[in-house]
Amino acid sequence: DQQVKQNSPSLSVQEGRISILNCDYTNSMFDYFLWYKKYPAEGPTFLISISSIKDKNEDGRFTVFLNKSAKHLSLHIVPSQPGDSAVYFCAARVDSSYKLIFGSGTRLLVRP
Amino acid sequence: DSGVTQTPKHLITATGQRVTLRCSPRSGDLSVYWYQQSLDQGLQFLIQYYNGEERAKGNILERFSAQQFPDLHSELNLSSLELGDSALYFCASSPGAGYQPQHFGDGTRLSIL
Repeated sequence: DQQVKQNSPSLSVQEGRISILNCDYTNSMFDYFLWYKKYPAEGPTFLISISSIKDKNEDGRFTVFLNKSAKHLSLHIVPSQPGDSAVYFCAARVDSSYKLIFGSGTRLLVRP
Repeated sequence: DSGVTQTPKHLITATGQRVTLRCSPRSGDLSVYWYQQSLDQGLQFLIQYYNGEERAKGNILERFSAQQFPDLHSELNLSSLELGDSALYFCASSPGAGYQPQHFGDGTRLSIL
């Protein structure tokens, strides 16, 4: 049962444009959502998070949007840079639990 | 550098064997989490320890066990290894029991021949 889904395995965008990565979830008990970035041969690196009581959180070029009614999460990167090329994982935490449930990842390629 | 150290980076062994993966959390972090990432999959939560005690368990096989020591480092023991256990094993740490975000080490790549 895949509770967190990233339906796009890959995304390619031009440098300077917006990258939008999407994530859908099924469990309404999720209370906290995170995005991680992963380069080859490295562990996931925390990028940005959002609590379920908010609908937007911004940090520099990165903005995460949460639509609870649609059970949908998105990460916007503006402007995209070649160094942003990596695999992006969304993750969710179940209220009162400690574990994170990860999506399968989206590979982003930012073309110069 | 996340501050989480995992050793070894690579491990190659045979079916039926037993291995131990080691994780040192970031300085000051009391919680350690273990995840398994199989080929092209997301990370699957295995188990969490907080200050030496088991706090949460995921879909961890009975052949797998873990512990957290008084110095807060953790070990994941995998026994009776099968081909399907080949994966990347990540350790993460965080300051508290449920505090987010978790910070990840670079993983141990386990290959079963």
